[in-house]
Amino acid sequence: AQSVTQLGSHVSVSEGALVLLRCNYSSSVPPYLFWYVQYPNQGLQLLLKYTTGATLVKGINGFEAEFKKSETSFHLTKPSAHMSDAAEYFCAVSLNAGKSTFGDGTTLTVKP
Amino acid sequence: DAGVIQSPRHEVTEMGQEVTLRCKPISGHDYLFWYRQTMMRGLELLIYFNNNVPIDDSGMPEDRFSAKMPNASFSTLKIQPSEPRDSAVYFCASRGLAATDTQYFGPGTRLTVL
Repeated sequence: AQSVTQLGSHVSVSEGALVLLRCNYSSSVPPYLFWYVQYPNQGLQLLLKYTTGATLVKGINGFEAEFKKSETSFHLTKPSAHMSDAAEYFCAVSLNAGKSTFGDGTTLTVKP
Repeated sequence: DAGVIQSPRHEVTEMGQEVTLRCKPISGHDYLFWYRQTMMRGLELLIYFNNNVPIDDSGMPEDRFSAKMPNASFSTLKIQPSEPRDSAVYFCASRGLAATDTQYFGPGTRLTVL
């Protein structure tokens, strides 16, 4: 079975501050990991994904995430938050050719 | 490609009425997913198809919900009869064959049942 836990349903940062959104997964086999972002009144869209190879993955809009097998984590970071980053972020895990399991989501608020 | 297309974008109906939501996936994608999103329950997977065949419908809340995929380019989610607690945003998503492929989400249908 696979599962995803996102720590913190709400995260608030100041503009220009570091963004850190936490994701831990549970999987019996090496997983494929994804971060999706949902802006207000829109569907989810891919930020980045880890499949194999380099464990530090870079995505769109300056976001990156590092796959740490020993910690079963895939945390999302961005060095400097921008107002436009305010959105809901979902971590997801996929094991095989079927459904993905999504976390509960983290709402990011960016304060001016 | 135009992406995943959903219609209607907004639907307001009265309790007891039949509601049909429609989805056109990205051409060539093998998988199609239906999700429901609410503030209380978050994002829930309702059902998904592989090559037009339903694979897992364990997320469908009740017999009032049904989904079909008559061909590779069209799927429907039907609620009959609708209830106020069905009010939510319903998303359709499609994906290629591999587990490493990205899911592409449609813009969603916002359903309000009065």
